[in-house]
Amino acid sequence: EDKVVQSPLSLVVHEGDTVTLNCSYEVTNFRSLLWYKQEKKAPTFLFMLTSSGIEKKSGRLSSILDKKELSSILNITATQTGDSAIYLCAVVNTGNQFYFGTGTSLTVIP
Amino acid sequence: DSGVTQTPKHLITATGQRVTLRCSPRSGDLSVYWYQQSLDQGLQFLIHYYNGEERAKGNILERFSAQQFPDLHSELNLSSLELGDSALYFCASSDSGGDETQYFGPGTRLLVL
Repeated sequence: EDKVVQSPLSLVVHEGDTVTLNCSYEVTNFRSLLWYKQEKKAPTFLFMLTSSGIEKKSGRLSSILDKKELSSILNITATQTGDSAIYLCAVVNTGNQFYFGTGTSLTVIP
Repeated sequence: DSGVTQTPKHLITATGQRVTLRCSPRSGDLSVYWYQQSLDQGLQFLIHYYNGEERAKGNILERFSAQQFPDLHSELNLSSLELGDSALYFCASSDSGGDETQYFGPGTRLLVL
């Protein structure tokens, strides 16, 4: 059965800390891995990763895919309270089906 | 504001009923995706339409159906509703048929009593 697992389930850090969120997958016919941020509303797209070892970066957020290990990490440096959210990882197969993890809930305290 | 609109925002109905959720994609976007988000199951992909054609199906129950119309808006029909169908239903759109950036609508919160 295709599945995506995220860890940790939740995380509480202080402002300024650096966090690493993990996503591992077992999905046949992998095409891409996506990261989303979900606050109290709809998810917003962060990154799409298709190739191993190529880091995608946006401000304090970065992500990398390891196809050998079937995993990806999302790093957030110098965290701010506005980073508090649920971070979702999704894997898309070549049949264009999406498999989501249950998310990591990040709380950043001042 | 993502540019994707969904109506209604909230819906309360009874078991056994049928409802229709509507989604208007961003201007120019050809793809529409439907998702269900519940507390116990997280975000689940239901179905994807591209320019009026069904492109991919996920965990969509047989009681659920969707379609995309020539003007590219989409409807998700849920019938014979059960308590477990209570969830937030999101629609997302993108400008292509691939898995590039998707823009999510605000969702329709369905409560089945």
